[in-house]
Amino acid sequence: EDKVVQSPLSLVVHEGDTVTLNCSYEVTNFRSLLWYKQEKKAPTFLFMLTSSGIEKKSGRLSSILDKKELFSILNITATQTGDSAVYLCAVEVDEWGDDKIIFGKGTRLHILP
Amino acid sequence: NAGVTQTPKFRILKIGQSMTLQCAQDMNHNYMYWYRQDPGMGLKLIYYSVGAGITDKGEVPNGYNVSRSTTEDFPLRLELAAPSQTSVYFCASSYYSGGTNYGYTFGSGTRLTVV
Repeated sequence: EDKVVQSPLSLVVHEGDTVTLNCSYEVTNFRSLLWYKQEKKAPTFLFMLTSSGIEKKSGRLSSILDKKELFSILNITATQTGDSAVYLCAVEVDEWGDDKIIFGKGTRLHILP
Repeated sequence: NAGVTQTPKFRILKIGQSMTLQCAQDMNHNYMYWYRQDPGMGLKLIYYSVGAGITDKGEVPNGYNVSRSTTEDFPLRLELAAPSQTSVYFCASSYYSGGTNYGYTFGSGTRLTVV
């Protein structure tokens, strides 16, 4: 059965700290890995990763994929209180020619001022 | 360009009632999805559609039905609501072409409570 596992499930750090969120997966027919940030509304897209070893960066956020070891990390440097959210990892798979997305349970990140 | 529009934002249903959650997108996306999110469970796929006239079950389809008569609209129907269907429902869309999905966009969610 395809699965996506995120760790830790929750994390509390102080403003200014750097955090690393983990996402491991076991799927057949991998297509891509996606990171989302979810606050009160719907998840907002952060990154899509398809190739191993190529870091994607957006401001203080960065992410990288390791397709050999089947995991991805999301780094946030110099955290701010506005980074408090649930971070979702999802893996896109090809199922019988169609596309399916499997989500992890998320990492709830809380930044203390 | 409104993106993905979901209505209503909130709804309380009594056990056994039925309702339809509306979802519309104006981005000409071919793929549309319905998810539910329960605390600590992550998003779970209910149904999805790869184009008008085509729908498929996801992980948790029981108790729901969908239709995709147009590219823009993907309503989710709940028949005989049960407390287990209390959740936040998200509709999403994307454009799939050449083996790659582009532009995942989520609606703002519908919070449904069944009492």
